[in-house]
Amino acid sequence: GQQLNQSPQSMFIQEGEDVSMNCTSSSIFNTWLWYKQDPGEGPVLLIALYKAGELTSNGRLTAQFGITRKDSFLNISASIPSDVGIYFCAGDQGAQKLVFGQGTRLTINP
Amino acid sequence: DTAVSQTPKYLVTQMGNDKSIKCEQNLGHDTMYWYKQDSKKFLKIMFSYNNKELIINETVPNRFSPKSPDKAHLNLHINSLELGDSAVYFCASSETRKVFTLHFGNGTRLTVT
Repeated sequence: GQQLNQSPQSMFIQEGEDVSMNCTSSSIFNTWLWYKQDPGEGPVLLIALYKAGELTSNGRLTAQFGITRKDSFLNISASIPSDVGIYFCAGDQGAQKLVFGQGTRLTINP
Repeated sequence: DTAVSQTPKYLVTQMGNDKSIKCEQNLGHDTMYWYKQDSKKFLKIMFSYNNKELIINETVPNRFSPKSPDKAHLNLHINSLELGDSAVYFCASSETRKVFTLHFGNGTRLTVT
């Protein structure tokens, strides 16, 4: 089945650093979504992107929907300990079927 | 109030057994889903139901049978469990055709020994 290529797979950073992760696909998506998953919990939506070129912020998080509709990135500025977790990109193929990336595991050293 | 609740949270069982996972949502959503997350954290859709009607059925073994008694509930029954079924299973719900409203439960960790 179709997959999204998400990178990096893991990141180890110092508290206060900025973080950047991205997702690419060989197919076009109508919507890109970014989720965060904490241990023992389900993924929670961070940002949803609906139009090519769209740049959206949610607090310290910023995400962009690529012009080609085949990629997206997520930036986190001034990371804090509670940013630790696994971040997933997801693309909407239509028919309410989301395809997820492999996830980026973020670890923060205080 | 828990929006999407699934039980049990942990399930340990032996190969060959049959088990069920229950899911309920109180968000008033019309669409419910089951996702499987493997040991590498990869999330993949298994099924979706809209108003009790099956909409998506990915290539899942027919040992897995979802049942939706009403639009607020979607249960997952698994027959003849195999080692490879060990994973975390997430129930989710959303408004119809608004996938950005997708809301996940906290998962059921199934371990087959």
